[in-house]
Amino acid sequence: DIQMTQSPSFLSASVGDRVTINCKASQNINKYLDWYQQKLGEAPKLLICNTNSLHTGIPSRFSGSGSDTDFTLAISSLQPEDVATYFCLQHNSGWTFGGGTKLELK
Amino acid sequence: EVQLQQSGAELGKPGTSVKLSCKVSDYNIRNTYMHWVNQRPGKGLEWIGRIDPANGNTLYAEKFKSKATLTADTSSNTAYMQLSQLKSDDTAIYFCAMATYGYWFAYWGQGTLVTVSS
Repeated sequence: DIQMTQSPSFLSASVGDRVTINCKASQNINKYLDWYQQKLGEAPKLLICNTNSLHTGIPSRFSGSGSDTDFTLAISSLQPEDVATYFCLQHNSGWTFGGGTKLELK
Repeated sequence: EVQLQQSGAELGKPGTSVKLSCKVSDYNIRNTYMHWVNQRPGKGLEWIGRIDPANGNTLYAEKFKSKATLTADTSSNTAYMQLSQLKSDDTAIYFCAMATYGYWFAYWGQGTLVTVSS
């Protein structure tokens, strides 16, 4: 099974900061990596699919990059409404989530 | 608008089973996979498995192969997950999820809380 290692587990940043979150796959997953945002008490929401395709309605401050085993979610200018936990998900072989990154405001 | 409506919270005793449902509106589930994901209290997301409602074909994460059974009823456009031999460790929120294209989870149910307690 493919394992997904997400880092950092916890992140504190200020409004306006550029924030990056990483996911590393235990083997090559090509481009098949998605990013989700989960706010407290809500279901997760799709942000980015297939590494870098912004889902409908997602602000352009969110972006994704990477390939093969290493992937990054970036928020170009952190907003208060971005406080949430972020998860990556590989779907190259089955489906596996990363452990999550809890993002809070400094 | 595609919507996934999950059944209400469940309280199950250890050793028993519960069956959760996920009814899809505005999309024919024959045309997609239906997935199930759990989230234990304060923890991350775990993929449990998926079913192809068109033919009943299932795929499970290894750790859930003897725990979860996925089924679907295309006539009512509803997916189901039965959790058997409940233990306290099964206490979690269970989500259903799907896509209208691709293999990502564009649509999610609101989640069903399963609490296992005697």
